[in-house]
Amino acid sequence: AQRVTQPEKLLSVFKGAPVELKCNYSYSGSPELFWYVQYSRQRLQLLLRHISRESIKGFTADLNKGETSFHLKKPFAQEEDSAMYYCALGGQGAQKLVFGQGTRLTINP
Amino acid sequence: EAGVAQSPRYKIIEKRQSVAFWCNPISGHATLYWYQQILGQGPKLLIQFQNNGVVDDSQLPKDRFSAERLKGVDSTLKIQPAKLEDSAVYLCASSLGAQGKADTQYFGPGTRLTVL
Repeated sequence: AQRVTQPEKLLSVFKGAPVELKCNYSYSGSPELFWYVQYSRQRLQLLLRHISRESIKGFTADLNKGETSFHLKKPFAQEEDSAMYYCALGGQGAQKLVFGQGTRLTINP
Repeated sequence: EAGVAQSPRYKIIEKRQSVAFWCNPISGHATLYWYQQILGQGPKLLIQFQNNGVVDDSQLPKDRFSAERLKGVDSTLKIQPAKLEDSAVYLCASSLGAQGKADTQYFGPGTRLTVL
């Protein structure tokens, strides 16, 4: 069965500090991992996916199959990064996504 | 590019009543999803359509929930009769439907349902 765990419901850091949102997954096949973000009063939208291996808005995430993790990182947080972040897991060859419970990130000025 | 449209945005009903939600996906997107998001949780897939066929409805409570996607475009999700625990945000999403991989999904604004 596919499962995604985001251990922190709330995370608060100061502007300019590094931020790391944790995501662990459980899946026996070859996973496809995503981070989705929901800013205040906006729709849920894709932030990045592991196969793209790109940095979006300064965020990066590396898939660690050994630790079954896909943590989201940014070296210097900005106030506009305050949002709800969801890690999502797609199974091999399947379009279905399983979402974690989400982490609410607050960047303090 | 127009995004995924949903209506209504808010709905308040009493338990045992019926309710229907509507979704219009992005033009050309073959795959359509309905999610239920209970407060404090992540979205949970209820049903997935590929064109007008059902791909996955394993988590749809079929005794009270139904969904259809006529002509492979718009979709409706119905609850009959509603229970208190159905209070949630119902999200519709669509994707291109590329075979063999998890697509980027584009979400609508959601319908917030309150069952009293």
